[in-house]
Amino acid sequence: AQSVAQPEDQVNVAEGNPLTVKCTYSVSGNPYLFWYVQYPNRGLQFLLKYITGDNLVKGSYGFEAEFNKSQTSFHLKKPSALVSDSALYFCAVRDQTGANNLFFGTGTRLTVIP
Amino acid sequence: NAGVTQTPKFRVLKTGQSMTLLCAQDMNHEYMYWYRQDPGMGLRLIHYSVGEGTTAKGEVPDGYNVSRLKKQNFLLGLESAAPSQTSVYFCASGHNQGANVLTFGAGSRLTVL
Repeated sequence: AQSVAQPEDQVNVAEGNPLTVKCTYSVSGNPYLFWYVQYPNRGLQFLLKYITGDNLVKGSYGFEAEFNKSQTSFHLKKPSALVSDSALYFCAVRDQTGANNLFFGTGTRLTVIP
Repeated sequence: NAGVTQTPKFRVLKTGQSMTLLCAQDMNHEYMYWYRQDPGMGLRLIHYSVGEGTTAKGEVPDGYNVSRLKKQNFLLGLESAAPSQTSVYFCASGHNQGANVLTFGAGSRLTVL
């Protein structure tokens, strides 16, 4: 069965500093990996995805993620954090049984401190 | 472009009452999903549909029923609400192509007393 794990419930970073939100995955075969962001009282919004190709994926709002097959990781990164980046971030892996469903991690709350 | 619209946004029920959550999408997506979000547990799939007239169970289907009579609508029903169903419910939709991106509604907060 496929799954993702987000080992940190909370990440705090100072504004202007680089940020990393961690995600590891467990799948058989090639993974399709996603990052979504949730702002307060809103639905999830797509940030970026990895299907194949370049291990560094660029997405919305200046975010990027690095796919590392040997470490089974897909960490979300941004070179310089903004206060407006404060939100709940979810890593997800696509269900490989064909329904295009996503299995989500438990989420990481990012707080950017002014 | 409305995207995915959920109604109602908030609802309070008493144990044993029934209700239906409505999800409507205007993007002609084939796939639709109902998730529930609980603190510390992320999103868990309740039911999903791969097309009009078809539904299937997800990870946590017990206590819920769904229907997809029209392609644009996906209804989630609670026949006899329980306090354990207090949660935030999200509907999502997507195309039937590989690695599609899901579009989410804004959520429906349900409290069962």
